[in-house]
Amino acid sequence: DQQVKQNSPSLSVQEGRISILNCDYTNSMFDYFLWYKKYPAEGPTFLISISSIKDKNEDGRFTVFLNKSAKHLSLHIVPSQPGDSAVYFCAASANFGNEKLTFGTGTRLTIIP
Amino acid sequence: DAMVIQNPRYQVTQFGKPVTLSCSQTLNHNVMYWYQQKSSQAPKLLFHYYDKDFNNEADTPDNFQSRRPNTSFCFLDIRSPGLGDAAMYLCATSGRLGGYEQYFGPGTRLTVT
Repeated sequence: DQQVKQNSPSLSVQEGRISILNCDYTNSMFDYFLWYKKYPAEGPTFLISISSIKDKNEDGRFTVFLNKSAKHLSLHIVPSQPGDSAVYFCAASANFGNEKLTFGTGTRLTIIP
Repeated sequence: DAMVIQNPRYQVTQFGKPVTLSCSQTLNHNVMYWYQQKSSQAPKLLFHYYDKDFNNEADTPDNFQSRRPNTSFCFLDIRSPGLGDAAMYLCATSGRLGGYEQYFGPGTRLTVT
């Protein structure tokens, strides 16, 4: 039972354009969400998070949007750069982050120069 | 640099032959996690330590054990590896329990022959 779903295994975007990575969740108890970025041969690194009390959180080129009614979140990267090519994992937690992380299966983003 | 180190990076073991994977951290974090990630799947939490307190996920097989002799080190023991245990094993640490930002090591890829 996959409670966090990333339905696009891969995405290719031209350098300089916007990358949009999507994530859906089914567990209504989830109220804290994180995005991790993973390069080959490295562990995932934390990118950005959002609590359900917000619908948007921005950090530089990265913005996460949360639509609670749709149980959907998205990560926007603007402008996309070649160094953004990586696998992006969406993760969710309940009880405002006090519960364990449940991960999605990841989306491989490729930025085309 | 403070970091999470996993050794070895690649481990080959024979079916049924016990194997131990190692994780160490210089972050002085209270919490250490072990995740299993199979190809194209989401990382799955096996267990975690909060200081010396061990917490096993309900669906973690008995074949998997863990030890944390001190704050810095944590070991994953697989008593009798089966072919289905071939995976990437990720160690992560956090300064607090729950789904907050976790710091991952690069992982150990386990092959079972």
